[in-house]
Amino acid sequence: AQSVAQPEDQVNVAEGNPLTVKCTYSVSGNPYLFWYVQYPNRGLQFLLKYITGDNLVKGSYGFEAEFNKSQTSFHLKKPSALVSDSALYFCAVRDMRSSYKLIFGSGTRLLVRP
Amino acid sequence: DAGVIQSPRHEVTEMGQEVTLRCKPISGHNSLFWYRQTMMRGLELLIYFNNNVPIDDSGMPEDRFSAKMPNASFSTLKIQPSEPRDSAVYFCASSLDGQGSNQPQHFGDGTRLSIL
Repeated sequence: AQSVAQPEDQVNVAEGNPLTVKCTYSVSGNPYLFWYVQYPNRGLQFLLKYITGDNLVKGSYGFEAEFNKSQTSFHLKKPSALVSDSALYFCAVRDMRSSYKLIFGSGTRLLVRP
Repeated sequence: DAGVIQSPRHEVTEMGQEVTLRCKPISGHNSLFWYRQTMMRGLELLIYFNNNVPIDDSGMPEDRFSAKMPNASFSTLKIQPSEPRDSAVYFCASSLDGQGSNQPQHFGDGTRLSIL
């Protein structure tokens, strides 16, 4: 069965410092991996995706994510955090054999302090 | 470029009443999803439409929930009769999909539903 784990409920980081939000996945085939961000009272916004190829994927707002097949991980990173990055972040996985279903993690709240 | 549009943004009603949530997907998208988000259960997929046809409704909680997609630009999610445990944020999302598609889903801003 497909699953996504986000082991940290909350990540705290100081503005200007690098941030990492962790995600591990389990699928039976090759995965499509996604990161979304949710701001208060808003829907989920697509940040970036891994399909194939380069293991380092760049996305919106300076975020990037590193795909590691051996560790089945897809951690979200940013070199320098902004207070405005504070939000709820979701990792999601789709088995390549599925045409539609995304499996979401439980979400990680990122708090960037000034 | 308009995103996914949901209405109403907020709905407060008494238990037993009928509730109808509406969604306009992004033009040209052929897949539509309804999700429910709660603190306890996170994001749950309720139903998936492809080319206006319901493909997977296994996430619909019970017979009180129904969803329709009469055309490519409109979908509704109806709860009748509503119960307090239905209180949640309901999201609609759309995407351009086919078998094995890698396209992301685009979400609306949701309807916050409170059943008293």
